[in-house]
Amino acid sequence: QSVLTQPPSVSGAPGQRVTISCTGSSSNVGAGFDVHWYQQLPGRAPKLLIYINNNRPSGVPDRFSGSKSGTSASLAIAGLQAEDEADYYCQSYDNRLPGYVVFGGGTKLTVL
Amino acid sequence: QVQLQESGPGLVKPSGTLSLNCTVSGGSISRSDWWGWVRQPPGKGLEWVAEIYHSGGTKYNPSLKSRVTISRDKSNNLLSLKLSSVTAADTAIYYCARHKDYGDYVDSWGPGTLVTVSS
Repeated sequence: QSVLTQPPSVSGAPGQRVTISCTGSSSNVGAGFDVHWYQQLPGRAPKLLIYINNNRPSGVPDRFSGSKSGTSASLAIAGLQAEDEADYYCQSYDNRLPGYVVFGGGTKLTVL
Repeated sequence: QVQLQESGPGLVKPSGTLSLNCTVSGGSISRSDWWGWVRQPPGKGLEWVAEIYHSGGTKYNPSLKSRVTISRDKSNNLLSLKLSSVTAADTAIYYCARHKDYGDYVDSWGPGTLVTVSS
C-alpha cells in the first residue's frame, strides 16, 4: 500500500485532456511538501516530468502541467498523443520520518 | 549532462547480500545534491531505497534500513549499495538516481539493472 494514492489506470482518446490524481495526507502533501511527477515508458527508466508541483524541465512539452491543493496533487495532460501512453508516478516527502521519500503507486495511461 | 550507470551481479542467492555500484560521470557526487537508489519490482511501482548527501550524510527507507547500506567512493565518483539477507521480494530493477538538493526530486536516472534473488 503506497503512502500516496494514485488511480491504477486512466485512459483517453487522442487530443483529449486527462488528469491523474495523487492523494496524500496531512503527513505528506497536506503538510506542504512539494510533489513531483515522473513518466515511465515501457522498458525504460523513469523520466522527470514535473518538479516542485508545477515546473517543467527543459524539453517537456507544455501539454503537461501539475497542480497541488490541500492533501492532493494532479498531473494534467492536454492534447493527448499516442506517445503519452506510459506509467506515471508522483513523489513527495512524508514527515513521519526525516527526509522520508515516498512514491505513489503509479497510474497506467492508455491512449485509446 | 550527468550520466549514471549501474553495475553488479544480476543474480543473488536468498539470504545473501546484494551489491551494486553506480558510476557517475558529468557530475561530482561530493560537490552537490543527494545520490541514491530507487528500485522497482517487476510489474510494480517505484520504491525509494536510500540516499547519500554530497557531504556524506545518509538516509534510508525505514522498511529496509536494517538491511541496507549506501556508501560512496569520492575519488572514483562511485556510488554503492549493499542489501543484506535478501529474499525473492528484493528482486527488482535497481536504478541509480541523482536527487536534487532542493525538493529531492530525481532529475537524472541510470538505465537500471535487474537483480534477481533466486537459488
